[in-house]
Amino acid sequence: SYVLTQPPSVSVAPGQTARITCGGNSIGGKSVHWYQQMPGQAPVLVVYDESDRPSGIPERFSGSSSGDTATLTISRVEAGDEADYYCQVYDRSSDHKVFGGGTKLTVL
Amino acid sequence: QVQLVQSGAEVKKPGASVKVSCKASGYTFITYGISWVRQAPGQGLEWVGWINAYNGDTRYAQKLQGRVSMTTDTSTSTAYMELRSLRSDDTAVYYCARDPGFTISMDVWGKGTTVTVSS
Repeated sequence: SYVLTQPPSVSVAPGQTARITCGGNSIGGKSVHWYQQMPGQAPVLVVYDESDRPSGIPERFSGSSSGDTATLTISRVEAGDEADYYCQVYDRSSDHKVFGGGTKLTVL
Repeated sequence: QVQLVQSGAEVKKPGASVKVSCKASGYTFITYGISWVRQAPGQGLEWVGWINAYNGDTRYAQKLQGRVSMTTDTSTSTAYMELRSLRSDDTAVYYCARDPGFTISMDVWGKGTTVTVSS
C-alpha cells in the first residue's frame, strides 16, 4: 500500500516561514491535498491539487510537489496557525485514499 | 451554506454494531460522494471508505472490509456508516466529508461523532 511520510513536528518563530514535507513514491505525479486540524476540531482543507487554495484560505498557505516530496509552505506564520497538518493523496493501485501521519506545527 | 451534520456520540460494547449518520445540506447531494475518516485518540487521520451518493458505489479500507457498510438515503440527503463487531481499537472520532471521489479533495467536513467501545 502507498505510504506518506511526514515529520512529526515542525517549529517556527512568528513571522517566519514554515515548511512541512510529505514524502511518497513519485508523489509529484499525484494530486496532493493538505488539511489543517486545530485541537478538538474537524480538519479543514487548506490546499488542494498540490497548490490551489479554497476560498477563504489566506495566500500565506501554498503548496508544491516534485519527485518524491510534496511541501506545504506557510509564510509569515502566526500563532493561530498552530495546528496539526495532514497531507493526502489518492492511491490508484489500491483505489484508496491515504493520509500522511500528520505534522504538529508549533509557533514558538 | 454547505453543511454536514453528524449524529451524536455513541458508547458501545465490544462485539456490538454502530451506525453513524451524516445529513447534508446546501448542495445537491447526489452530485458528490461522501468519505468517512476516523481518528483514534491522540492519533492521525485514517480513511475508512467512500460512497457515491448518486449510485451507491462504495470503496472500503482494506483493514475494515467485511465489518463496514456505507449507505445513503437520497430522499433525506443523509449518508450512513455502519461498523460491526466493534473492538476497543475502533474507539475514535468518525468524520464524514464531502468527496467527489478519486483524486479530488474532501472539501467540507462534519464536526465528527465520537464512538467509544468499552465493556
